[in-house]
Amino acid sequence: ELKVEQNPLFLSMQEGKNYTIYCNYSTTSDRLYWYRQDPGKSLESLFVLLSNGAVKQEGRLMASLDTKARLSTLHITAAVHDLSATYFCAVDLTLPIMNRDDKIIFGKGTRLHILP
Amino acid sequence: EAGVAQSPRYKIIEKRQSVAFWCNPISGHATLYWYQQILGQGPKLLIQFQNNGVVDDSQLPKDRFSAERLKGVDSTLKIQPAKLEDSAVYLCASSLPRALNTEAFFGQGTRLTVV
Repeated sequence: ELKVEQNPLFLSMQEGKNYTIYCNYSTTSDRLYWYRQDPGKSLESLFVLLSNGAVKQEGRLMASLDTKARLSTLHITAAVHDLSATYFCAVDLTLPIMNRDDKIIFGKGTRLHILP
Repeated sequence: EAGVAQSPRYKIIEKRQSVAFWCNPISGHATLYWYQQILGQGPKLLIQFQNNGVVDDSQLPKDRFSAERLKGVDSTLKIQPAKLEDSAVYLCASSLPRALNTEAFFGQGTRLTVV
């Protein structure tokens, strides 16, 4: 069974600082997603990482994927208050069924609070 | 392009009552997911459809939950009878086939409170 673990689960940091959120998963996968969720809202897609070594950047956020280590990171550079949210990684688990799409399993999320 | 539509947005019911949620995925998305998100936790996959067939329902409590996707478009998720622990946000998502390398898109969710 696929397990997806994020750490830390809670993070409070000052504006202007850098930090990294880690996402480990337990079985082989070559595809991983990062989502953002604001309180009371739905999930917004941030990044789709499709292969080993994939790196994507958008503004102050950068995500990477190491499929051999089964690890993805979400790096925050010079954090600003607007980045306060819960961040989820989600791993694509290939189903052993021909011509069927995969299922997507989420981590527990990292609640990020950025202090002004 | 319209997003994933869900209704109702909020529902309050008493335990042992029944409730149904509706989802209309993005046009052309063959894969549809229902997730349960309990407050403070990550979304948990309940059931996944590809067109109108069930791909995975291993986490669906089948004694009380049921879901269908007639005609491979809209889907309904039903709980009968509801328990207090079913209080959660029920999220519907849809996606294109995996080969097209895109993510799943989520609706606004239905917040269910069971009292």
